[in-house]
Amino acid sequence: QSALTQPASVSGSPGQSITISCTGTSSDVGAYNYVSWYQQRPGKAPKLMIYEVYNRPSGVSNRFSGSRSGDTASLTISGLQAEDEADYYCSSYTSSSTLVFGTGTKVAVL
Amino acid sequence: EVQLVESGGGLVQPGRSLRLSCAASGFTFDDYAMHWVRQAPGKGLEWVSGISWNSGSIGYADSVKGRFTISRDNAKNSLYLQMNSLRAEDTALYYCAKAFGYSTSCCVDGMDVWGQGTAVTVSS
Repeated sequence: QSALTQPASVSGSPGQSITISCTGTSSDVGAYNYVSWYQQRPGKAPKLMIYEVYNRPSGVSNRFSGSRSGDTASLTISGLQAEDEADYYCSSYTSSSTLVFGTGTKVAVL
Repeated sequence: EVQLVESGGGLVQPGRSLRLSCAASGFTFDDYAMHWVRQAPGKGLEWVSGISWNSGSIGYADSVKGRFTISRDNAKNSLYLQMNSLRAEDTALYYCAKAFGYSTSCCVDGMDVWGQGTAVTVSS
């Protein structure tokens, strides 16, 4: 159950788009449509941003979008805003019938 | 209001046990799988365990398998985590979280409702 691999940090200027990658294996990210993304602000509980690779829960801005290619899932934030500064985590269901999180990515808005 | 409230954390010596509880309200508890997720100080999220709506499907992270036991009482709208043989590396904030969808599997769906966490410190 190795953690999914994410870049430690990603940054962008307001209005720009950024993409966070989440690399797993053919036993997790590449095998199932059960990839989720979470936003966590300092001192707060995580918030679900994307579920089942592409889908946004009600209330989440359409500036957030998810995709996947092979064993790598991605979260794209368009029109970057100061409020998007946070840590972001991916997660995936695995072939062991467990769940695994990514290593986390700190997003900075310059 | 949909809410999850964890309790039972504290300071415990290595090798001892602790039982965490999570009280759910504002939704039909027995419709959803539930999870425990932890976060060590300054570190990332780590999934600990999940349980399906009827306890028929249960999963554990390798790091806690054989030491931790997840359970639920649907009549009491409550989730539990029995933690035995605690180690220093179990020190973390433990979150209770509700699964997003209606899967019969414990561990498929993302988590759309989270508690504020209960802190566990394992130290002599």
